[in-house]
Amino acid sequence: NAGVTQTPKFHILKIGQSMTLQCTQDMNHNYMYWYRQDPGMGLKLIYYSVGAGITDKGEVPNGYNVSRSTTEDFPLRLELAAPSQTSVYFCASSKGTGEVHQPQHFGDGTRLSIL
Amino acid sequence: AQSVTQPDIHITVSEGASLELRCNYSYGATPYLFWYVQSPGQGLQLLLKYFSGDTLVQGIKGFEAEFKRSQSSFNLRKPSVHWSDAAEYFCAVGADTPLVFGKGTRLSVIA
Repeated sequence: NAGVTQTPKFHILKIGQSMTLQCTQDMNHNYMYWYRQDPGMGLKLIYYSVGAGITDKGEVPNGYNVSRSTTEDFPLRLELAAPSQTSVYFCASSKGTGEVHQPQHFGDGTRLSIL
Repeated sequence: AQSVTQPDIHITVSEGASLELRCNYSYGATPYLFWYVQSPGQGLQLLLKYFSGDTLVQGIKGFEAEFKRSQSSFNLRKPSVHWSDAAEYFCAVGADTPLVFGKGTRLSVIA
């Protein structure tokens, strides 16, 4: 039972490069989320999706893009990476009934450094 | 706008002592409240949640939390802390919107 799987676990990126953080879940959850975690700042929501083909911005979407073509996958793309995007990124999923959001399942994170 | 405040950045307790982590929230409607725990290098794990009903909720690992509407609080408690409880703890609030997390409280446990 894999749950939420994130790849890669670690990555170093050069300023101006782009990359995609992968997230997949095998629980058939409708709702998926991307957060970033910076020291002492808790988790900030980047983007979320309530189903395939539907995405919405969170609190800190600038510099990121997402897509949701399948229920299982929710990749996060960084375009023109900047040092401010150095962070730990977490993907989460939730069964999501009606309008209720309950991210109860988190991946182990991707630690991204931009130099 | 909804928000969560965890007043204590870092708490140190002795093994076997009791623990209370504070959480205050601001939410426009009836909130759903959550506590998560994060061990180093790991993702977040749900400890417990409050949706409605009994204001004292039990969670995993011997934790409990009490919802006090009048104080807008949802404090986490454990009667006897174990060394393995050392971790970071996050309170979160939300219902019909994605969860908003507090900044976390780091718990250290000493012998």
